[in-house]
Amino acid sequence: GAGVSQSPSNKVTEKGKDVELRCDPISGHTALYWYRQSLGQGLEFLIYFQGNSAPDKSGLPSDRFSAERTGGSVSTLTIQRTQQEDSAVYLCASSLIHLSGEQFFGPGTRLTVL
Amino acid sequence: AQKVTQAQTEISVVEKEDVTLDCVYETRDTTYYLFWYKQPPSGELVFLIRRNSFDEQNEISGRYSWNFQKSTSSFNFTITASQVVDSAVYFCALSGTMDSNYQLIWGAGTKLIIKP
Repeated sequence: GAGVSQSPSNKVTEKGKDVELRCDPISGHTALYWYRQSLGQGLEFLIYFQGNSAPDKSGLPSDRFSAERTGGSVSTLTIQRTQQEDSAVYLCASSLIHLSGEQFFGPGTRLTVL
Repeated sequence: AQKVTQAQTEISVVEKEDVTLDCVYETRDTTYYLFWYKQPPSGELVFLIRRNSFDEQNEISGRYSWNFQKSTSSFNFTITASQVVDSAVYFCALSGTMDSNYQLIWGAGTKLIIKP
């Protein structure tokens, strides 16, 4: 497909477990973004990649959160020792040009931590 | 620091009414970009418009129009003759250079309900 894809679409996990969320951006898009959206809330910026590097990691909520991007394409967001407050929809977006380009969003991964 | 304010948390109108969604921003950058996105009940965010800080011309796209005024730091969005399918959460966003630390700053969103 031509759009941004994310997997899994839904993830239910137990508190304390680690989870990995995957994002496959639009081919050729150098900028990739992760956001978190709690129920009924706005978007919380987590991290962005330009190519494989992340110039700014300040949006990550804690050191339990990490992300990587390999080959300038697929990105994974890892949450270690999940907590109930991590429950949210995690959205990924990609853009041809950072800042000035429109962001194309994936359908999101709904994470529920029990 | 950059900030985007969407003061209207929720708006409810009857179909065919016109409705304006407000967006006020703050930035110290001279070059910046403003965006509107739509998030329908299905959840997937959809890009609507991008405007750069040097272009203050208003834009119209069908029933949608945008009013960008640098003097008041506002980028308001109007839907004319609203339809039920316009029901969604609408987000305004801002990106700059130095002031934003290269992040896209989002408003909290306005939930628009169009009643038949």
